Amino acid sequence: KNEVEQSPQNLTAQEGEFITINCSYSVGISALHWLQQHPGGGIVSLFMLSSGKKKHGRLIATINIQEKHSSLHITASHPRDSAVYICAVARSGGGADGLTFGKGTHLIIQP
Amino acid sequence: NAGVTQTPKFQVLKTGQSMTLQCAQDMNHEYMSWYRQDPGMGLRLIHYSVGAGITDQGEVPNGYNVSRSTTEDFPLRLLSAAPSQTSVYFCASSRTSGGALGYEQYFGPGTRLTVT
Repeated sequence: KNEVEQSPQNLTAQEGEFITINCSYSVGISALHWLQQHPGGGIVSLFMLSSGKKKHGRLIATINIQEKHSSLHITASHPRDSAVYICAVARSGGGADGLTFGKGTHLIIQP
Repeated sequence: NAGVTQTPKFQVLKTGQSMTLQCAQDMNHEYMSWYRQDPGMGLRLIHYSVGAGITDQGEVPNGYNVSRSTTEDFPLRLLSAAPSQTSVYFCASSRTSGGALGYEQYFGPGTRLTVT
């Protein structure tokens, strides 16, 4: 079983819809990252969370440490939000040995 | 700042050839890492470095070497390329490992490698 599971794997929605992408993990973590990858490959960091909730523009990320679950929400979705969204965790006590990634959620927003 | 740069963007190798993927950052970041991204799989860590002169293996290190002689540069060497190494390679950096990678990760644009 993967240590980081994302759902859904694929999501197609209409412009303006409220989008939710979920991430569940099975290991103890010290930080959770949400990343965005547009077609063509570039990866951009959206959020880094260790507790609670963060908001940036139309994007909101939440984390529940007890339930080992995080969500990424997009309000008033737009076609430019079409991308792959990746959840990644840094293991607690894992030192510097990198992030563990989910397989990503491929989001398409249709006009 | 250029951020994290990678060269080349694309590369085709024949089986058995060697090459070096270059990665550089101008943010004075201590922590640098190499990942590979394959279809249907999440990014996987190849090697990482917590500072100049210090490197360590990640999840999938076989067939790759790294060195970190300066803070800025972290090249990845393929010793004898194999078709299984066909992938997209990303270099990333952050301010420090902080014991927990609780710092924003900056990724390079990627190198798409094909081994025939």
